[in-house]
Amino acid sequence: EDQVTQSPEALRLQEGESSSLNCSYTVSGLRGLFWYRQDPGKGPEFLFTLYSAGEEKEKERLKATLTKKESFLHITAPKPEDSATYLCAVQAPDSNYQLIWGAGTKLIIKP
Amino acid sequence: KAGVTQTPRYLIKTRGQQVTLSCSPISGHRSVSWYQQTPGQGLQFLFEYFSETQRNKGNFPGRFSGRQFSNSRSEMNVSTLELGDSALYLCASSLGLGGPSTDTQYFGPGTRLTVL
Repeated sequence: EDQVTQSPEALRLQEGESSSLNCSYTVSGLRGLFWYRQDPGKGPEFLFTLYSAGEEKEKERLKATLTKKESFLHITAPKPEDSATYLCAVQAPDSNYQLIWGAGTKLIIKP
Repeated sequence: KAGVTQTPRYLIKTRGQQVTLSCSPISGHRSVSWYQQTPGQGLQFLFEYFSETQRNKGNFPGRFSGRQFSNSRSEMNVSTLELGDSALYLCASSLGLGGPSTDTQYFGPGTRLTVL
């Protein structure tokens, strides 16, 4: 069964303390992996799409990387405004246009 | 380009009532997906519409239904509301053409439904 698992469930960091969030997936033939950021009570905001192993994308303090079985979202020198829940989703060839979602990682950055 | 809009933003209903939520996708997007999100839960997929046809359906009871109009706007209806239906309802639009670049979903702000 296609599945997406995110870890850790929650992560507390001090401002400036870099770390990584993990998204592992078990799908056959990944077509794309998506990262989103969600603030409380709001809709998820699109961050990145990764298509193939070895690909990397960056946006401000965030960098997403992709291997054959997992993706990492690296956060460098985070600020309190980076606090949010980060969601990962994948698209597989047999998912009929749908995305398979992970449960998210809640990131808290303390000043 | 205007983003995805959802109305209303907040709703309070009582058990047994029904409710209709509306979603206007990004211009040119033909796919609209609906999700339910409860505190501490991930996104639970309700259904997806593409060109006025339901293309995918999640594992929700028949009380949850939807439709899509020719201008791609979509509505979701919940009949006979239960306390457990209290949630943030999100809609997302995409081109929906079957590839990761066209199936990137863009979300609206959500409708917060409270059932008393």
